[in-house]
Parts: sequence; structure tokens; C-alpha cells
Amino acid sequence: EIVLTQSPGTLSLSPGERATLSCRASQSVSSSHLAWYQQKPGQAPRLLIYGASNRATGIPDRFSGSGSGTDFTLTISRLEPEDFAVYYCQHYGDSPPINFGQGTRLEIK
Amino acid sequence: EVQLVESGGGLVQPGGSLRLSCAASGFTFSTYWMNWVRQAPGKGLVWVSRINGDGSSTTYADSVKGRFTISRDNTKNSLYLQMNSLRVDDTAVYYCARDFYNRLDSWGQGTLVAVSS
Repeated sequence: EIVLTQSPGTLSLSPGERATLSCRASQSVSSSHLAWYQQKPGQAPRLLIYGASNRATGIPDRFSGSGSGTDFTLTISRLEPEDFAVYYCQHYGDSPPINFGQGTRLEIK
Repeated sequence: EVQLVESGGGLVQPGGSLRLSCAASGFTFSTYWMNWVRQAPGKGLVWVSRINGDGSSTTYADSVKGRFTISRDNTKNSLYLQMNSLRVDDTAVYYCARDFYNRLDSWGQGTLVAVSS
């Protein structure tokens, strides 16, 4: 089973700053199988990035994804107040077919 | 517009059963694989189960295998999760999510299942 480890656990930043969130896989994975989600309190997760670097429909261009192999990054170029949330990376594989990282909480400093 | 609406959650005693439903609209339901994902209070997302478009193939997380059954009725555009032998650690919000080329691109709002005596 591929384990996804996200870091940091909590990131404290101010609006306007740049956020860099990391997702490390326990073994090399296909970039096409790596996605990122945003979840705000009391809401369902929302797909942000798929295929490691493709923005989902309606996602602002301040969100970008990159990486390959075992190391992937979600970057938010200039934080808006509505971006403070929990972010999860996810791998689509074989067993189990869907696996999530433990999440990174992005909080207002 | 894609919509997924879960229902059927509630309070149940350990060892009890519950059936969750997810009503889909705004897309051709039968052509999509579907999933259940759960989230315990204050915890992260955990995949539970997946079913293919015609219902002939199902997969489960080890933690629910043998206790939960995923199914679908494409004539009713509905997804189901039959949960038996419920345990306290099954307490969570359960989301249905549409599966589209290696990602979960649409999610319902979730339904809360609380297992407690």
C-alpha cells in the first residue's frame, strides 16, 4: 500500500503570502494519479488539482500543482481569505484504489 | 449541474445496521464509477468502497470488508451503502463521490452516521 505523507501538518500564513504544501509518497507513483482537494469546515471536499498539475474546473490560477515520482507540491501563490482550509492529496492506485494523505491545515496567522 | 445528495444517516447502536443512499442528477449516472468516502469527527478522509458503472465490480477497504455492501440502481440514479455489524469506529460523515479518470470530481454534502450505545 502506498502511504501519502503530507507536510507540514499545520501551516500558519497571512493573506497575500505564498503557501507551499508537500505530499510525499512511500513509493514512486504516476503523476496522472495524483490529485489535491480542499475542504472547508462543514463542507465536502472539492477537487482542486488532478494529474498532479491540472486545475479542476473553476479553480483560480493562484492554485498550482507540481511534482513527480514521490514528491508533489501544491502552491497557492497569493493567499486569499477563502483559501484557509484543510488540503488533502490523494493517490488513485490498485490496493487500495483510493488513498488520501492525512491533510495539511492552512490557518490564518 | 452535477448533484449528489446523500441520505440515510443517523444514530445506531453497535452491531446495528444502516443503509445509506446517494441520489445523483445532472449526469449520465450509469457511465461513472462511484465511491463512498468517510470522515470521522475531526479526522481525515478515508476511502470506503467503490463500484463500477454497471455494478458488476466492487471494492472495499479492509476495515469494512464483509460488513458493508455497495450497490447501485441505475434506473433510479442511486448509489447505496448497506452497513451491517456497525462499530463505534464507523462513526463518521459518509460522502458519495463521482469517480472520473483517477480523481473524485464531484462530492455530495455527506450524511452523518453515529454508532453509540
